[in-house]
Amino acid sequence: GQNIDQPTEMTATEGAIVQINCTYQTSGFNGLFWYQQHAGEAPTFLSYNVLDGLEEKGRFSSFLSRSKGYSYLLLKELQMKDSASYLCAVISIKAAGNKLTFGGGTRVLVKP
Amino acid sequence: DTAVSQTPKYLVTQMGNDKSIKCEQNLGHDTMYWYKQDSKKFLKIMFSYNNKELIINETVPNRFSPKSPDKAHLNLHINSLELGDSAVYFCASSQRGEDQPQHFGDGTRLSIL
Repeated sequence: GQNIDQPTEMTATEGAIVQINCTYQTSGFNGLFWYQQHAGEAPTFLSYNVLDGLEEKGRFSSFLSRSKGYSYLLLKELQMKDSASYLCAVISIKAAGNKLTFGGGTRVLVKP
Repeated sequence: DTAVSQTPKYLVTQMGNDKSIKCEQNLGHDTMYWYKQDSKKFLKIMFSYNNKELIINETVPNRFSPKSPDKAHLNLHINSLELGDSAVYFCASSQRGEDQPQHFGDGTRLSIL
């Protein structure tokens, strides 16, 4: 089976940096996604990592270590609009096709 | 302009009824999905279709029947609704390929009375 763990909730101050960790155990690992989901809205794609290392995209960066089964999402210069849930999702190869499995999400609350 | 659209946005109905949710994507994607997000916010895959063919069926009760008339549409029919079916159902689509992000619809909030 698959196991994806991430903290339930984090609080940070506007302008600060927050790091959301995600650990996973899976067979047939084929990449890791981060999605953002505002309350009552659809998840939206943030980043994809398949090789070890850091991918930077503006204020958001995502890191992957395949050997450790570990990823993090780094949010810099936090803004109030960054208050949302952040979902870690692992894609794994199955006989029928690729399957995306989500963690429970980390709710980030940005305070003034 | 809407990329993945699903209807209705809200669905309130009695236990035992049958209901359908429709989904359409105008992105030209080959693959479509149905997810269920429960009250604890876990997003779980239910079905995946590629070019109208079912490729993933995740031990969902057979009261749930997806139908894909063409690759731009994936509808979900639910028979004999139960209290535990209350959730938000998301449709999504993507291009083929493990590195392709999924694009989600706005969700259908299903409440069973």
